[in-house]
Amino acid sequence: TQLLEQSPQFLSIQEGENLTVYCNSSSVFSSLQWYRQEPGEGPVLLVTVVTGGEVKKLKRLTFQFGDARKDSSLHITAAQPGDTGLYLCAGRKGGSEKLVFGKGTKLTVNP
Amino acid sequence: DTGVSQDPRHKITKRGQNVTFRCDPISEHNRLYWYRQTLGQGPEFLTYFQNEAQLEKSRLLSDRFSAERPKGSFSTLEIQRTEQGDSAMYLCASTWSGSKDTQYFGPGTRLTVL
Repeated sequence: TQLLEQSPQFLSIQEGENLTVYCNSSSVFSSLQWYRQEPGEGPVLLVTVVTGGEVKKLKRLTFQFGDARKDSSLHITAAQPGDTGLYLCAGRKGGSEKLVFGKGTKLTVNP
Repeated sequence: DTGVSQDPRHKITKRGQNVTFRCDPISEHNRLYWYRQTLGQGPEFLTYFQNEAQLEKSRLLSDRFSAERPKGSFSTLEIQRTEQGDSAMYLCASTWSGSKDTQYFGPGTRLTVL
């Protein structure tokens, strides 16, 4: 059973379109992170959210942590080919030191 | 920029051989983590250290796997008697104990067991 479910698994869009990817769980997390991973490389941290309802913006990327701290979303405005990659969400449960990852959303932005 | 480094980046070995990977964390980070990522999956936790102490090990870490961080700086992950199922990307991450939500990952070591 996957603790963090990401959807969609695959997303192919045209440059300039907007998109949202989701990360859902039935469990409560103390914090949730979003990473982007290129093929053959390690995940690169994009953002950490820790407060229920928190919204963080990073240029064209908007991240939201659900009020109940069980889910999160990543919205990209005006996607560019450079946004192509695997987007992973990861959560840390209270009392645990490890991160639990979803399977990721593979995003392709076509020129 | 001295981020997390891992060596080697790629390793091809024959089944039954032993392999060892090294991770050098960001210098001021006292926590170091090992994860394994197979194709189409997110990373899965293997073990973590605070300074030189190994504080948690996953059930994924069979007795063929051993990790060390002898001086609280770099860490090694050894796999004995490798099996084809060990083929994966092995990722190292580090953080400071006061900021444990934010783990910084290295580029990984891609292991292929033939």
